Amino acid sequence: AQSVTQPDIHITVSEGASLELRCNYSYGATPYLFWYVQSPGQGLQLLLKYFSGDTLVQGIKGFEAEFKRSQSSFNLRKPSVHWSDAAEYFCAVGDGNTGKLIFGQGTTLQVKP
Amino acid sequence: NAGVMQNPRHLVRRRGQEARLRCSPMKGHSHVYWYRQLPEEGLKFMVYLQKENIIDESGMPKERFSAEFPKEGPSILRIQQVVRGDSAAYFCASSPWAGPEETQYFGPGTRLLVL
Repeated sequence: AQSVTQPDIHITVSEGASLELRCNYSYGATPYLFWYVQSPGQGLQLLLKYFSGDTLVQGIKGFEAEFKRSQSSFNLRKPSVHWSDAAEYFCAVGDGNTGKLIFGQGTTLQVKP
Repeated sequence: NAGVMQNPRHLVRRRGQEARLRCSPMKGHSHVYWYRQLPEEGLKFMVYLQKENIIDESGMPKERFSAEFPKEGPSILRIQQVVRGDSAAYFCASSPWAGPEETQYFGPGTRLLVL
């Protein structure tokens, strides 16, 4: 069965520091991978996605993610975090048949001034 | 170009009442997905609909929950005889095409509180 694991429930970083959010997936075929961000009380916004091609994917707001098949990982990175990046981040894999998304538990990012 | 609309944004119901959640997809989108986010949890898939058809309802509870997406009008998620455990945020998402590579655009959610 498909699954997504985000090992870190909460992460705190200082403003200006680099960020890496971990995501591991379990999927039999080529995965379709997504990162979404959710601000408090809001819906989800797509940051980036991967389904083929270059394994380093650029997204909005200065985020990038790298697909590593050997590690079954799709970690999200940002070189310098801004206070406005404080939010909850969800990694997801798309089901090959219906496209439904299977989400990880989410990682809450707190940014210290 | 309006995004995905959901209403109401907040809904309070007493145990045993019915809850109706509406989702208007983005213009030109004919695929709708519903997800539920329980407190302190990630989003869980509930149901996938195309116009007038339920394609995948594998995430829907077997009782009390139903969904529709009529030819005209919004998609409706209906919860009958609500219980406290139904308290959650319900999100719908739409996409123009089917397929795992398609981006799903999410609405702001309906936060249901059952007293």
